[in-house]
Amino acid sequence: DGGITQSPKYLFRKEGQNVTLSCEQNLNHDAMYWYRQDPGQGLRLIYYSQIVNDFQKGDIAEGYSVSREKKESFPLTVTSAQKNPTAFYLCASSMTGVPNQPQHFGDGTRLSIL
Amino acid sequence: EDKVVQSPLSLVVHEGDTVTLNCSYEVTNFRSLLWYKQEKKAPTFLFMLTSSGIEKKSGRLSSILDKKELFSILNITATQTGDSAIYLCAGGRGSTLGRLYFGRGTQLTVWP
Repeated sequence: DGGITQSPKYLFRKEGQNVTLSCEQNLNHDAMYWYRQDPGQGLRLIYYSQIVNDFQKGDIAEGYSVSREKKESFPLTVTSAQKNPTAFYLCASSMTGVPNQPQHFGDGTRLSIL
Repeated sequence: EDKVVQSPLSLVVHEGDTVTLNCSYEVTNFRSLLWYKQEKKAPTFLFMLTSSGIEKKSGRLSSILDKKELFSILNITATQTGDSAIYLCAGGRGSTLGRLYFGRGTQLTVWP
């Protein structure tokens, strides 16, 4: 059945290491989003993409990078430039071109520093 | 600057109580207000409100939007321990929403 799959569920990063979080959706949604959630902070937008091969920075893009080579996939790389990467990362997707379509979320990846 | 503010940030009640969660917003070209419930992992969609004064209801949960005063409330009646969660409010722009602006969430704890 349709949904959003994030992997891995838990990830540990060493100092100076880049890590990539996977997000795949089979909902045929055009738009995909990456959020970071810290305790008591709600969801903050990192990057989003409304069409293949195009993406925009959100509010906290520094230290992160993304690609959107396929409609169903929107991987997020947490680079060594992100000095405080420990957080819960959520991927979401939604339809575009159709009014009033909510975003749907994956189960998240919890990233910690070793 | 677009922003969404939720209050209270945390709330502890006993089973059977009624709670009201608040959400105020300042979103350019505002279109919709969304409520989500987040237990352990993925936020799950509850309501989308686009018209002022029209209540949306689902079981013990209901929500209403006031576009003049720029706020929304989420009511939960006869609370149960399963209602314990973070409730997130988000504002969206334009006719096809695009990105959302989220508040910090209200952490609701329901004691038996």
